[in-house]
Amino acid sequence: EAGVAQSPRYKIIEKRQSVAFWCNPISGHATLYWYQQILGQGPKLLIQFQNNGVVDDSQLPKDRFSAERLKGVDSTLKIQPAKLEDSAVYLCASSPATGGFSNQPQHFGDGTRLSIL
Amino acid sequence: DAKTTQPPSMDCAEGRAANLPCNHSTISGNEYVYWYRQIHSQGPQYIIHGLKNNETNEMASLIITEDRKSSTLILPHATLRDTAVYYCIVSPLRISGDGGTSYGKLTFGQGTILTVHP
Repeated sequence: EAGVAQSPRYKIIEKRQSVAFWCNPISGHATLYWYQQILGQGPKLLIQFQNNGVVDDSQLPKDRFSAERLKGVDSTLKIQPAKLEDSAVYLCASSPATGGFSNQPQHFGDGTRLSIL
Repeated sequence: DAKTTQPPSMDCAEGRAANLPCNHSTISGNEYVYWYRQIHSQGPQYIIHGLKNNETNEMASLIITEDRKSSTLILPHATLRDTAVYYCIVSPLRISGDGGTSYGKLTFGQGTILTVHP
């Protein structure tokens, strides 16, 4: 089974520029998550999709961050404009969880490391 | 979500069992205990999860106390490749919020840095 694919692996931009990250989840996984991991900390959930609908974006800084999951498969996360504090690893995860009660684990990609100059 | 408490770091000799403790004294009845680990420069990797019974898989064993207020992850024969940050997380099955129903939300803490020595 192919894992969660993310690209690019690394990205360096200057502050106030824009950047986008791409995620391809495991085939058939209905739920997709984006996490932000700042150096030395555990990952923090930014947004969760159920198919192509958002079910939790309470910790997404919506003035600069946006995410979409068209057709309920691939997803992109965008930052516009970037700030210095956005330097982090952005992780994508997917899970087969669909409806009802589910304890299915999440499977993570290796992330995109973003550095803001 | 219930919070967890883990020691910041632990050491283990290669070939010995590594026992990683986790305290989750405020866990509620619908919350599972999950363990993930993160090796340097990689995304978190799922290890095991349980509700109240002890669980075992090819990677590890999970021992949950009868009152469910604490648990222990056991790596039976640690290798150098097991050096990683280990996260203990409690997560409810389902959360209903303004945006709809959220499944399997994981709230990561600082975790335990496990170093396996030759």
